[in-house]
Formats: sequence, C-alpha cells, structure tokens
Amino acid sequence: RKEVEQDPGPFNVPEGATVAFNCTYSNSASQSFFWYRQDCRKEPKLLMSVYSSGNEDGRFTAQLNRASQYISLLIRDSKLSDSATYLCVVQRGDYKLSFGAGTTVTVRA
Amino acid sequence: DAGVIQSPRHEVTEMGQEVTLRCKPISGHDYLFWYRQTMMRGLELLIYFNNNVPIDDSGMPEDRFSAKMPNASFSTLKIQPSEPRDSAVYFCATGLAGAWRRETQYFGPGTRLLVL
Repeated sequence: RKEVEQDPGPFNVPEGATVAFNCTYSNSASQSFFWYRQDCRKEPKLLMSVYSSGNEDGRFTAQLNRASQYISLLIRDSKLSDSATYLCVVQRGDYKLSFGAGTTVTVRA
Repeated sequence: DAGVIQSPRHEVTEMGQEVTLRCKPISGHDYLFWYRQTMMRGLELLIYFNNNVPIDDSGMPEDRFSAKMPNASFSTLKIQPSEPRDSAVYFCATGLAGAWRRETQYFGPGTRLLVL
C-alpha cells in the first residue's frame, strides 16, 4: 500500500466553480501535512501547509482528519491559473516527505 | 535569490554511459534532497543530506546510483552505467532546519534524463 494515495482525477471544472478532493495516508505517526502544486513540466512548489484545525489561504481551504487519516483541499471560485496537479504530502518525524501521485485539476473557460 | 540551480536541464545519453547531474542549493540551506519523478512511480526520494552529510540513502535504487555533497554549495548525482529505465525527471530540493521552516522544501527546475 502506498503511503499517500490520491484520486488522480482529472477534475474538469468551469471557471468560478468549487472543486474539492482528498488524499489518504497510511502512517498514523505522520506529523506534518502539505499541499504542493506542480504545473506541467515544472517543479513542485509548496501551496500550503495543513493544520489540525483546518486553514485557509485565499480561495484555498485545507482540512486534516487525523482519525480517518485523510487530508482535503478545496478551491473556491476556480481560475484558469489553478489548472495544475496538486500533490498531497506527508512528513513523518524525520525530514523526509512522502508525495502522493497527484490530482490533476483543469479549469476551463 | 537565484533559487535551486540544476544542470543540465536536459540530458540524452545512450545506455551504458555515465551521467552526472548537478545541483547548487539555495545559500544557507542545510538540507539537500534528490528526487526522481516518473509517470509510473511519481515523486520518489532518492537520498538526502544535512550539512553535507548523507543522512538517508535508502531510496537509491541500485549501486549504479551515487550522490555526493563535497561542500555546502554543490551536490552531484551520478548514474554509472545508465539504463533506459533510469529515464525520468530528477529534482534537487533544499530546505532549512528549524521548527518553523523545516517542512518547506524548495525544488530546482529538474533535469530531464532520457537514456536510449
């Protein structure tokens, strides 16, 4: 079983729509959680950290459910520029990050 | 800040040849990571260094792969001999220790390797 599993999508949504997707992680000892964004043929970049109480960054909202071991990302008022692959990332006690395979989001005009 | 610098950006080589990938970390970052990304396996950690010392190389696939960090501003990943299944994008990432920064890793643009 992979340490981090994501629905690969793709999620095709019109501009202005809300899109949400989850990922699950297998290691209950995981301590930190993140969403990274990767554009086509580019490097991954940190989108936001995910905190236990949930957190927002503009149009992006992240939630963590430790009991069920899943993390979610919600994008409100989607923009064309939100089209990308979103990587769910989990960190254990060491500095190593485990990346999910990514969820592809395509926002259409 | 120039960010993480990787070279070459693209490499095409023939099976059996030696390949050397290079990384210059962001100045002051004390962690350096080498990742490999393929469609089939996603993003995999190969090895990481802290203060130029290899900490965990459990992700290095075979003895054909080796990595060094001779100083704080340079690291190499070498594949010798290369095989077609090594074709992938290789990313170098760096980060800072410290409670509030430890989780952020900054990725370089990657090296696209094709082994024929």
